[in-house]
Amino acid sequence: GAGVSQTPSNKVTEKGKYVELRCDPISGHTALYWYRQSLGQGPEFLIYFQGTGAADDSGLPNDRFFAVRPEGSVSTLKIQRTERGDSAVYLCASSSGHGYGYTFGSGTRLTVV
Amino acid sequence: AQTVTQSQPEMSVQEAETVTLSCTYDTSESDYYLFWYKQPPSRQMILVIRQEAYKQQNATENRFSVNFQKAAKSFSLKISDSQLGDAAMYFCAYRRGNAGGTSYGKLTFGQGTILTVHP
Repeated sequence: GAGVSQTPSNKVTEKGKYVELRCDPISGHTALYWYRQSLGQGPEFLIYFQGTGAADDSGLPNDRFFAVRPEGSVSTLKIQRTERGDSAVYLCASSSGHGYGYTFGSGTRLTVV
Repeated sequence: AQTVTQSQPEMSVQEAETVTLSCTYDTSESDYYLFWYKQPPSRQMILVIRQEAYKQQNATENRFSVNFQKAAKSFSLKISDSQLGDAAMYFCAYRRGNAGGTSYGKLTFGQGTILTVHP
């Protein structure tokens, strides 16, 4: 596609529920990144994929968070047993693999009530 | 670990005037890249300018320029002839160089500076 697409744009869920956030990167971009941005803060790194594999998942806060990229294109960030503290904007970015030029999506705003 | 600090939570400028946003960073590495991103209410991060640490010359993109002081670990953004469309949140970001292993691609962001432009 022309840009990085993230769906849904907004998601409201109840505490304890499971959610999936989707990122559709630019076609041909091998690298994909997930970031979490809390209100009024800068984005924080969660996980980085190079192709299908997670090259660095050091930013995932705990085992409730998991991400996949089974075919090396679309990625899904999965959050189990959501907590109110998980409320944030989740940003996805992709790059051609050199990590030099990034294209960001518009994010998914997750609200846990 | 690398850290990026933006000490100005908010800045304001009159249209057509010049404003400078500050950023400092901490790293033990010699090869890295620095970025300024703009985030409007649409939430999408837009690259404003980037600087390679090995280049002594300050990067410039039209009305945007940086003052890169490697020894002081300072990377400020100057916006000249400010326009109403420049109003947004601005983030400074750091990325280690390509020799940094598998995680060289990830960005470390500062806390951001909200820029208001007054007509």
